[in-house]
Amino acid sequence: AQSVTQPDIHITVSEGASLELRCNYSYGATPYLFWYVQSPGQGLQLLLKYFSGDTLVQGIKGFEAEFKRSQSSFNLRKPSVHWSDAAEYFCAVAGAGRGSTLGRLYFGRGTQLTVWP
Amino acid sequence: KAGVTQTPRYLIKTRGQQVTLSCSPISGHRSVSWYQQTPGQGLQFLFEYFSETQRNKGNFPGRFSGRQFSNSRSEMNVSTLELGDSALYLCASSSGTVSSGANVLTFGAGSRLTVL
Repeated sequence: AQSVTQPDIHITVSEGASLELRCNYSYGATPYLFWYVQSPGQGLQLLLKYFSGDTLVQGIKGFEAEFKRSQSSFNLRKPSVHWSDAAEYFCAVAGAGRGSTLGRLYFGRGTQLTVWP
Repeated sequence: KAGVTQTPRYLIKTRGQQVTLSCSPISGHRSVSWYQQTPGQGLQFLFEYFSETQRNKGNFPGRFSGRQFSNSRSEMNVSTLELGDSALYLCASSSGTVSSGANVLTFGAGSRLTVL
């Protein structure tokens, strides 16, 4: 069964500190992996995605993520957090976009990030 | 390039009523997906439409339905509203084809439905 686990419900970091948000997935086929961010009252914004190739992917706003197949993980990182990064972060897994995978992303429950000044 | 537009942004209904939500995808995108977001269940897939055809459907009761028009705009309808239908309903669009990233979804800001 397809699923995504984000073990940390809430993380607090100081501004300027590094950040790592954890994501583990379960997917029967080759996964497509995503990180989205959601600010209060807003929709989801795509930070980055992994389909294939280089396992370290760069995204917007200085975020990066590393795909580790052996650990079924896709952790999100940022070397120096800014106060504006405070938001909720969602990891998602999907198929290639055929048949029953069309339009369907499986999301984790999210990690709420608080940034202290 | 305009993003995904959802209307209305906020609405309040009472139990037993029905509601229709609208979604205009990014220009050129032919696929529209709908998601329900609640604190209890998180983000759950409702259905996906492409070229006016429902191609995929999540595990929701028949009270939840949708359609897509020839200009790719989509609507979803919830009939006989229940308290548990209170949620943020998110629409997302994509190219809809594997060659150009069928599941790379761009989301709208959502429609916040409150059922009293």
